[in-house]
Amino acid sequence: DADVTQTPRNRITKTGKRIMLECSQTKGHDRMYWYRQDPGLGLRLIYYSFDVKDINKGEISDGYSVSRQAQAKFSLSLESAIPNQTALYFCATSKPNTGELFFGEGSRLTVL
Amino acid sequence: GESVGLHLPTLSVQEGDNSIINCAYSNSASDYFIWYKQESGKGPQFIIDIRSNMDKRQGQRVTVLLNKTVKHLSLQIAATQPGDSAVYFCADCTSGTYKYIFGTGTRLKVLA
Repeated sequence: DADVTQTPRNRITKTGKRIMLECSQTKGHDRMYWYRQDPGLGLRLIYYSFDVKDINKGEISDGYSVSRQAQAKFSLSLESAIPNQTALYFCATSKPNTGELFFGEGSRLTVL
Repeated sequence: GESVGLHLPTLSVQEGDNSIINCAYSNSASDYFIWYKQESGKGPQFIIDIRSNMDKRQGQRVTVLLNKTVKHLSLQIAATQPGDSAVYFCADCTSGTYKYIFGTGTRLKVLA
């Protein structure tokens, strides 16, 4: 079983719909991250969290919100999806005192 | 990292040769740097890291070089193998922030 699990893996939706991407981890890490990947733009940080009471905006948080329901769960929401939010989304966790991020397998979102 | 638009830089290397992948970062406060490898359809995986008090660090078949003066780091892969074909990302961070910012990536193609 994967240590960092993302659901759904693929989703097609329409403009204006609310979408939630979920991430759960079994690694016991406190730090969790949401990144967005677009062709030619690398990975851009959306939000990150150091524990259930600590949520931080990343580089591109506009249009997104997150919820850290528990140490093991970190969800990303698009309140009203728009086509330019079509992308591959990655959740990651981080070991204490290192930069080693452990990524999920990604959630591909298409907004029509 | 720097944006290079929609086209991912590509490095083509003959199998068995050495590969050098370069990365420029923009944040002068960054003092921790990491290289990741992303294979098709997967999330990025940690390769090697380096702190700003070092200018070189070696791993198994990989070496990272850091030049803080020009804000540049490189990843050298010795005796490149077909399994090294992937997209490689650098990421940087300022100690204590745990906010990892990724570059746009370089695609490495290994030619048989």
